[in-house]
Amino acid sequence: IAGITQAPTSQILAAGRRMTLRCTQDMRHNAMYWYRQDLGLGLRLIHYSNTAGTTGKGEVPDGYSVSRANTDDFPLTLASAVPSQTSVYFCASKGQGSSGELFFGEGSRLTVL
Amino acid sequence: DQQVKQNSPSLSVQEGRISILNCDYTNSMFDYFLWYKKYPAEGPTFLISISSIKDKNEDGRFTVFLNKSAKHLSLHIVPSQPGDSAVYFCAASPTGTASKLTFGTGTRLQVTL
Repeated sequence: IAGITQAPTSQILAAGRRMTLRCTQDMRHNAMYWYRQDLGLGLRLIHYSNTAGTTGKGEVPDGYSVSRANTDDFPLTLASAVPSQTSVYFCASKGQGSSGELFFGEGSRLTVL
Repeated sequence: DQQVKQNSPSLSVQEGRISILNCDYTNSMFDYFLWYKKYPAEGPTFLISISSIKDKNEDGRFTVFLNKSAKHLSLHIVPSQPGDSAVYFCAASPTGTASKLTFGTGTRLQVTL
């Protein structure tokens, strides 16, 4: 089934550890995004990539990094996790010519202790 | 600075009645608006959108109204069904395929029997 796959589905992590959330799409969409969802704050953009080889900062980029080596994959890395990064993370993509409709993955629930 | 605001965190509506979800925005550069629906443990899914050149867009039971002068949009669901119970996010972006969506904080709709 075409779409976006995120892994892991959920993870508990000790503070200070490094963590990479994986995101793969098979729709050949150019643009990809990472959002975090927190209660009372909605979905906030962390990083984005308009096309392979390029990335940009969103609203809340601190503590996170991304890479876009190819069209399909867009991993999000927490170099040294902190408790405030406990959240649900959603990867999304958008097709060429689309005005705004994003396709989201199922999410990755991360708990940093 | 919350550029897209959903001031009602929750809403309860009886089955068969109308659900009205509201959204306000502050950025006058926004000219494309979307509503997403999110069930627990799933990613958000696109529901309906509207461009600023329109003031209404309808898709089955769902209608979105846009009042540009008031920087306000609303989603009407008629008739409401128990399966509509979810969190609804309003989102906005400027025109352009490279534009990024800004999401509101969400409204949890509960449709009761």
